[in-house]
Amino acid sequence: DAGVTQSPTHLIKTRGQQVTLRCSPKSGHDTVSWYQQALGQGPQFIFQYYEEEERQRGNFPDRFSGHQFPNYSSELNVNALLLGDSALYLCASSTDRSSGNTIYFGEGSWLTVV
Amino acid sequence: SQQGEEDPQALSIQEGENATMNCSYKTSINNLQWYRQNSGRGLVHLILIRSNEREKHSGRLRVTLDTSKKSSSLLITASRAADTASYFCATRNTGGFKTIFGAGTRLFVKA
Repeated sequence: DAGVTQSPTHLIKTRGQQVTLRCSPKSGHDTVSWYQQALGQGPQFIFQYYEEEERQRGNFPDRFSGHQFPNYSSELNVNALLLGDSALYLCASSTDRSSGNTIYFGEGSWLTVV
Repeated sequence: SQQGEEDPQALSIQEGENATMNCSYKTSINNLQWYRQNSGRGLVHLILIRSNEREKHSGRLRVTLDTSKKSSSLLITASRAADTASYFCATRNTGGFKTIFGAGTRLFVKA
């Protein structure tokens, strides 16, 4: 049973560029959440996708957008990259059908903006 | 803003000792979860405790929840060097969908 998988593992982008990160949820999970984790901080909630719709959003600008596909996989897009966007981006999956709603994380995508 | 706040920020102990980390939160919750993160890696789920539960055990882990004080504690007994990691509490608000994390406690277990 594959867990949550993310790609790419590491990437370097230049200020002003755009980036797309990808996530495949754990088998049987239909909900995907994205988090940003700066060095030494806890993960910050970006948004959550369920049934291909953004269900809830954290305090992030519109430069951060996402998508969920019919197979429940998801993408995170960040436009007009800033140096401050450098962070570990974590994808987490869960299912509302399970009690407790434990969320499972991928290994993350390290983004460096130079 | 963060929902959960862990205390202490960092903890250094000898192998074999017990480690206790605390978490406080602000609003009504459905459940509280504890996660571990090794440096630069993804978060690993340790244990979930529901709002109607007071204590839960899993191996060397013991979690308590006091909803009247809006606080939780994670106890790791007989710590090992491999327990060195950051530990985060995370809460899901009543009626909400997102799980919110605190800033974490960095645990160092010296061999």
